[in-house]
Amino acid sequence: QVQLQESGPGLVAPSEILSLTCAVYGFSVTSPAWWSWVRQPPGWGLEWLGEVHESGRTNYNPSLKSRLTMSVDKSTNQLSLRLTSVTAADTALYFCAAVQNVTNYFAPWGQGARVTVSA
Amino acid sequence: QSALTQPHSVSGSLGQSVTISCTGTNADLGASNYVSWYQLLPGRAPKLILYDVIQRPSGVPDRFSGSKSGNTTSLTISGLQAEDEGRYYCSSIDANSVYVFGTGTEVTV
Repeated sequence: QVQLQESGPGLVAPSEILSLTCAVYGFSVTSPAWWSWVRQPPGWGLEWLGEVHESGRTNYNPSLKSRLTMSVDKSTNQLSLRLTSVTAADTALYFCAAVQNVTNYFAPWGQGARVTVSA
Repeated sequence: QSALTQPHSVSGSLGQSVTISCTGTNADLGASNYVSWYQLLPGRAPKLILYDVIQRPSGVPDRFSGSKSGNTTSLTISGLQAEDEGRYYCSSIDANSVYVFGTGTEVTV
């Protein structure tokens, strides 16, 4: 059974870098799949941030592309997300999710990691 | 890319049916049959309910069904159960390969 678990600092200062990891259990990140990040600001809906392939290829949401970096760490079987120059608008619950090859839906998801941007 | 439009909330009694609509544009829903639906509950991982408009993953009851016409897709829950409460989001992929989500609908039983 594939399980994902996000982890991160919880609190990030404005203008700093937000870094999150997503541990993948029961499935190798080197297997054909895309790994997505999705966030949900408090009181708002879901926003797709982007995706990274096991090959290292990435696709980012154009609205965040200039600030985003996603990668796959094969040695630890984890994913990582890096968002630079954060503001209060980046406060959200951040999820990682799998998109299996030749599909276009997210399954499974992690439970999410809450990040607050505040001084 | 803008969020797909869903009603803020729907409610129904046990055993009744509710339908959640999800409306997009020619650039997303109108151009793709890659529609999926997710149930979000506080503190839990989001759960896939439907994919490819009408397909149910293993373990999802057959009271969940989907449809699509033009720029609008719908999720129907027939025979509403207490455990169906939650917030539901539709999702599709637009012409630029950007995933878009709906605004979310709160289902109350």
